[in-house]
Amino acid sequence: ILNVEQSPQSLHVQEGDSTNFTCSFPSSNFYALHWYRWETAKSPEALFVMTLNGDEKKKGRISATLNTKEGYSYLYIKGSQPEDSATYLCAPQGGGTSYGKLTFGQGTILTVHP
Amino acid sequence: ETGVTQTPRHLVMGMTNKKSLKCEQHLGHNAMYWYKQSAKKPLELMFVYNFKEQTENNSVPSRFSPECPNSSHLFLHLHTLQPEDSALYLCASSQDWGGQETQYFGPGTRLLVL
Repeated sequence: ILNVEQSPQSLHVQEGDSTNFTCSFPSSNFYALHWYRWETAKSPEALFVMTLNGDEKKKGRISATLNTKEGYSYLYIKGSQPEDSATYLCAPQGGGTSYGKLTFGQGTILTVHP
Repeated sequence: ETGVTQTPRHLVMGMTNKKSLKCEQHLGHNAMYWYKQSAKKPLELMFVYNFKEQTENNSVPSRFSPECPNSSHLFLHLHTLQPEDSALYLCASSQDWGGQETQYFGPGTRLLVL
């Protein structure tokens, strides 16, 4: 079982602010890292799958970086909008006996105030 | 819409009832998953099916009984549940099991056991 920590647990920002949050995971036996965005009463939506150390991925105003050697990933949102309000989940995927399994963090709850 | 549907969306049952949760995916995927999210806990994997065969059972009590009649449908049969089983149950699918596959989630069934 992977120990996954996301910080902060919750975050309140004003519309237009840029923000970022962290996902920490064991660096050993790393296979991939998944980021999801989960709006209330909806399905979790995949944002990124990251695999290589130094990976940087971007989708609109959202981007993510990956450091597999030290075991962390950052998610950045530029110019936050109220529709960005959601819970952001990270899920590392280990190799070996954990092959294929995603271990989810508790998430960062983002609220963007107009 | 993620292409994964779940019914019912809400369910209230007594401890002596038997009920079933249904999941259907319209994505042509080969792997399907059941996850559980209890209050203030991360998403937790319960079962994995790949090509209709169960490949993972994450030490789930036998009062939860999964069934996968074909690659598009997944059921979770519930019997003699306990109040602590009240949670959000999410279904997901991916093209295949293992690999760096994105999982696509349904909206979940909110279960309350009285």
